[in-house]
Amino acid sequence: DTEVTQTPKHLVMGMTNKKSLKCEQHMGHRAMYWYKQKAKKPPELMFVYSYEKLSINESVPSRFSPECPNSSLLNLHLHALQPEDSALYLCASSLQQQDTQYFGPGTRLTVL
Amino acid sequence: RKEVEQDPGPFNVPEGATVAFNCTYSNSASQSFFWYRQDCRKEPKLLMSVYSSGNEDGRFTAQLNRASQYISLLIRDSKLSDSATYLCVVHDNDYKLSFGAGTTVTVRA
Repeated sequence: DTEVTQTPKHLVMGMTNKKSLKCEQHMGHRAMYWYKQKAKKPPELMFVYSYEKLSINESVPSRFSPECPNSSLLNLHLHALQPEDSALYLCASSLQQQDTQYFGPGTRLTVL
Repeated sequence: RKEVEQDPGPFNVPEGATVAFNCTYSNSASQSFFWYRQDCRKEPKLLMSVYSSGNEDGRFTAQLNRASQYISLLIRDSKLSDSATYLCVVHDNDYKLSFGAGTTVTVRA
């Protein structure tokens, strides 16, 4: 089973709202990732967690705040987003950081 | 120069045809190589890893040429369901994937 789940599937929020995206995997993977993908572009890495610790932040603005409560869960907290943050947010996981990554279905975010 | 470059296409082929396309990568120290498939408004899904010896999975054949730093994908006997964007992905170091911009393939009836 190579399933990564994400909720919600779709999210519409205003610029003053606070919301969270959730990602879950039960494959025993110890590395988890957040990506942002705009239309007709490849995914862009945002954050990497390894063994529940943030190992990489690709210079992401502080209005995006990741959290890894345990080895199966990864959250992305959103606050004061801008319309240009509208995109597909993809979570991925891999056994270790150097291993093949498997993507969740994504959350399609629209910021009004 | 982009780390991974792909011909964006589109490759528009009839059912049953063979279609092939390449990607080139700039980092000679890259360790792992993959083809992912992405359907419109869906997530990337791993199609196959690419090994130095070349590998085949059903109608799909992938090749790696380390000397020339390119990867290829060949699809035989194309099906309508093969219509998608194919992402060339290179594992540059222990965490970072570099994605090509994708090659769009449309298989027509």
